[in-house]
Amino acid sequence: DAMVIQNPRYQVTQFGKPVTLSCSQTLNHNVMYWYQQKSSQAPKLLFHYYDKDFNNEADTPDNFQSRRPNTSFCFLDIRSPGLGDAAMYLCATRIEQGMGEQYFGPGTRLTVT
Amino acid sequence: GNSVTQMEGPVTLSEEAFLTINCTYTATGYPSLFWYVQYPGEGLQLLLKATKADDKGSNKGFEATYRKETTSFHLEKGSVQVSDSAVYFCALILNSGYSTLTFGKGTMLLVSP
Repeated sequence: DAMVIQNPRYQVTQFGKPVTLSCSQTLNHNVMYWYQQKSSQAPKLLFHYYDKDFNNEADTPDNFQSRRPNTSFCFLDIRSPGLGDAAMYLCATRIEQGMGEQYFGPGTRLTVT
Repeated sequence: GNSVTQMEGPVTLSEEAFLTINCTYTATGYPSLFWYVQYPGEGLQLLLKATKADDKGSNKGFEATYRKETTSFHLEKGSVQVSDSAVYFCALILNSGYSTLTFGKGTMLLVSP
């Protein structure tokens, strides 16, 4: 029944060691989003894909990259994680721009040691 | 631009008390409005939504009415339970064109037995 799946749910990485978080969806939605959420804050949009078109938020650090090899999968790559990148990372989908609601995955909690 | 303002928490209530969490918004177009709930350590779950003025969203005893004249979408529940303890986010997204979710800062609800 899971519609937006994130793996792993918990990820521990070392300072400076690249890490990849994954998201998959069974909804066949065109739009996929990555959010960063720090403790006691609202989610902050990092970037999103509309189909294959990549849209980066202006204040997303270069350290964060994303790939969407097909409709179902989207990856978040953190090239050199710092202690400040420890957060919950949320993936979401939407059927189309300007249509419907966003569906969120359960999130991946990233710890940087 | 778009913005969402919700009351700051934490909101502390006893079980079976009446709950109101205020939410007001500004939007450059015609938004859909949402309440998301986040339980500790988990991702965001859609609690309820309303897509046009005067719509009432409801779920699990929670209700909110889309009031265009007051640009509000206040969350209410007649009798809260301990299990309702969570963070609640009000959010909007425009119904046309390029748009991403705009979140309020979140309100923590703590319900004691």
